[in-house]
Amino acid sequence: AQSVAQPEDQVNVAEGNPLTVKCTYSVSGNPYLFWYVQYPNRGLQFLLKYITGDNLVKGSYGFEAEFNKSQTSFHLKKPSALVSDSALYFCAVRALSGGYNKLIFGAGTRLAVHP
Amino acid sequence: KAGVTQTPRYLIKTRGQQVTLSCSPISGHRSVSWYQQTPGQGLQFLFEYFSETQRNKGNFPGRFSGRQFSNSRSEMNVSTLELGDSALYLCASTRGTTNTGELFFGEGSRLTVL
Repeated sequence: AQSVAQPEDQVNVAEGNPLTVKCTYSVSGNPYLFWYVQYPNRGLQFLLKYITGDNLVKGSYGFEAEFNKSQTSFHLKKPSALVSDSALYFCAVRALSGGYNKLIFGAGTRLAVHP
Repeated sequence: KAGVTQTPRYLIKTRGQQVTLSCSPISGHRSVSWYQQTPGQGLQFLFEYFSETQRNKGNFPGRFSGRQFSNSRSEMNVSTLELGDSALYLCASTRGTTNTGELFFGEGSRLTVL
């Protein structure tokens, strides 16, 4: 079955420290991977995507993600966290499921950055 | 450039009623997808439309339906509302049908069923 797993419900980081939000996936064929962020009572905002090429992908607001095919992971990272990064983060994969092509989301990880 | 616009933003209905939600995609975008977001189930895919045709659908009962108009605007309808239909309904658009294109989301319509 095609799926995305975000093993941590919440990640706590001190401002200025590096942050990592984990994501693993299970999909047949080449994975097309995405990260989105959601602020309270708002829609999802696109951060970055991996389609092909360089395994390190750079995105919006200083975020980057590393695609690791052998570990089937696509972890989101940022070298120095800001309090304003506190939000809900979703990993997603484009996959064929039940004959349909759709974007499958993980359960989300709440990032809390403390001053 | 205007983003994805969803109306209404908030609405309250009672069990058994029906509701229609509207989504206007970004200008030039022809694909519209709908998602249901709840605390318990997370983000669940409802359906996707492209050029007025439903291309993909999720695992929701027939009470959930949608359509897309020639100007790419989309509506979704939920009939015979149940308490469990309370959720944030998100619409997203993208330019074409490519697997590699990111989705642009609206702010959502928050439905409360009493």
